[in-house]
Amino acid sequence: GAGVSQSPSNKVTEKGKDVELRCDPISGHTALYWYRQSLGQGLEFLIYFQGNSAPDKSGLPSDRFSAERTGGSVSTLTIQRTQQEDSAVYLCASSSLGPDTQYFGPGTRLTVL
Amino acid sequence: GQSLEQPSEVTAVEGAIVQINCTYQTSGFYGLSWYQQHDGGAPTFLSYNALDGLEETGRFSSFLSRSDSYGYLLLQELQMKDSASYFCAVRDPNTGGFKTIFGAGTRLFVKA
Repeated sequence: GAGVSQSPSNKVTEKGKDVELRCDPISGHTALYWYRQSLGQGLEFLIYFQGNSAPDKSGLPSDRFSAERTGGSVSTLTIQRTQQEDSAVYLCASSSLGPDTQYFGPGTRLTVL
Repeated sequence: GQSLEQPSEVTAVEGAIVQINCTYQTSGFYGLSWYQQHDGGAPTFLSYNALDGLEETGRFSSFLSRSDSYGYLLLQELQMKDSASYFCAVRDPNTGGFKTIFGAGTRLFVKA
């Protein structure tokens, strides 16, 4: 079906507010990944889901970050008490054949004022 | 830990051939992936090498030498639209193999 979608495309928030970022993977893809990319930088791995399970949460930058996936489909990345250093593009990807071939969504650009 | 090194920038002329190198250090190895990202866009998958040798996909080819922990992406008949960042990536075997580590990216500038 359609590619990976993410919403919102842009989010501007004030420091200290909570934000939720949504990812809708390609239908049938069992694996889902979240990355963070600061301007001009590479991709920083945050977390992955195999089905609804996230076996390794060590990539999350702090305990203000959490993620969940329900029904083996949509995933939400939540950042609590946002800080200015959280400003970045948050990318979601999904895969069906393993992590060597990932399909990325357009990203959510988060700006924390 | 796992790490990848690639040049930060490469400049080439339209119509030419350019090679983007990637060296990696991993405690285990599944294969090397390549992604392209245009400014403001999402990364898109280009190629994957699990075994030594050259994989060709149109104007793009990717090479892997596991004994040298080295790979490269070869772009032929360069076009202006190839101006983008190119990332190599490997899987981290210490966390079940699904965590992916990306290089810092090589920014390719194609000149007329």
